[in-house]
Amino acid sequence: KQEVTQIPAALSVPEGENLVLNCSFTDSAIYNLQWFRQDPGKGLTSLLLIQSSQREQTSGRLNASLDKSSGRSTLYIAASQPGDSATYLCAVSQGAQKLVFGQGTRLTINP
Amino acid sequence: DGGITQSPKYLFRKEGQNVTLSCEQNLNHDAMYWYRQDPGQGLRLIYYSQIVNDFQKGDIAEGYSVSREKKESFPLTVTSAQKNPTAFYLCASSLSPQLAAGRRWAWETQYFGPGTRLLVL
Repeated sequence: KQEVTQIPAALSVPEGENLVLNCSFTDSAIYNLQWFRQDPGKGLTSLLLIQSSQREQTSGRLNASLDKSSGRSTLYIAASQPGDSATYLCAVSQGAQKLVFGQGTRLTINP
Repeated sequence: DGGITQSPKYLFRKEGQNVTLSCEQNLNHDAMYWYRQDPGQGLRLIYYSQIVNDFQKGDIAEGYSVSREKKESFPLTVTSAQKNPTAFYLCASSLSPQLAAGRRWAWETQYFGPGTRLLVL
């Protein structure tokens, strides 16, 4: 059974710092991996999707990498801003559109 | 504007009562999903539907029921058999893989609604 783990559960950094969020999964047979953002009491917003054949995806200040063989993905956020404060979730797809989610990392950017 | 709407934003359930959460989308998506989120945890799949009049159980379907009579709508009923219903419920939709061939990046992305918080009185 696929299990997805995100470490740390919470992270607090000063504004302007670069930071890395981690995601690991136990079964490397995935179609893709997605990173989502969730603001308190809100739904999820898709940030980046990496296909299983890809190594990384970039969108603005965000860069996501995927190492399928080791079961790991990272989300790199450059020049962090207070508006980046949110919970970040990663999820892997194993077909039939079913996503398995990690528990999330709650990120706080301090002005 | 295209999107997914969920109602109500907050819902209160009395002991022994069934309650229904609404999910509507105007994105012309074939596939729809229901997830449950508990505090400090990720999302867990309750039910999903790839096409009208068809749906499958997810990982935690016990105590829940769904229907898919229209493409735009996928209501979730939390029955009295669900003993711990207090949670945040999220609905999502996506294009069907069969209809989006050649646009793989699109059909693999799920779009989420704003959620419904269910509380027990």
